[in-house]
Amino acid sequence: AQKITQTQPGMFVQEKEAVTLDCTYDTSDPSYGLFWYKQPSSGEMIFLIYQGSYDQQNATEGRYSLNFQKARKSANLVISASQLGDSAMYFCAMREGPGGSYIPTFGRGTSLIVHP
Amino acid sequence: EAGVVQSPRYKIIEKKQPVAFWCNPISGHNTLYWYRQNLGQGPELLIRYENEEAVDDSQLPKDRFSAERLKGVDSTLKIQPAELGDSAVYLCASSLDGGTRETQYFGPGTRLLVL
Repeated sequence: AQKITQTQPGMFVQEKEAVTLDCTYDTSDPSYGLFWYKQPSSGEMIFLIYQGSYDQQNATEGRYSLNFQKARKSANLVISASQLGDSAMYFCAMREGPGGSYIPTFGRGTSLIVHP
Repeated sequence: EAGVVQSPRYKIIEKKQPVAFWCNPISGHNTLYWYRQNLGQGPELLIRYENEEAVDDSQLPKDRFSAERLKGVDSTLKIQPAELGDSAVYLCASSLDGGTRETQYFGPGTRLLVL
């Protein structure tokens, strides 16, 4: 079974609008971390935001926020006020605790295109 | 602060030839990871080091792939012999340690093409 599922292969958004990228995860470990990374065409993976399984509040980092719904096992990334430079692949990742041997796993990614 | 350094950035080889990739992690980072990323997919972990020790290499094809991290700093990933299916981007990442909260920082990757 897939541990990380990103159901949107591609998304389009108009500049200055907000966009939500979906991510669901599967784990039975009570301790885990969720991460979002951005990968522009240059290829480097850039860390965006982190959410811990025990964190009470949703994580925010500038224009990025994580809509964490633990009971639904979802960790959607919200990008507000999209910019042309946000066009890239976005990957959701999870790191499980001892039950998962701390092995990080990534989803297949969502391609985001921001148009003027 | 310098990021994760990888070399070479690009490599084209013929099948059955050997190839090696090098990675220097962020200073002070104890955990080092090698990933393979196929076109259109997310990275897949090949091997993870805690200092000099390989703590997870279950996805590493051990018949042709090998890795080492001498002195717990930089690392080398080798493929011998390379096959057509090895064409991919090989990413190196590092983190302070291997806990669930630790963020991985990635290098620019090595794009390998096997002809």
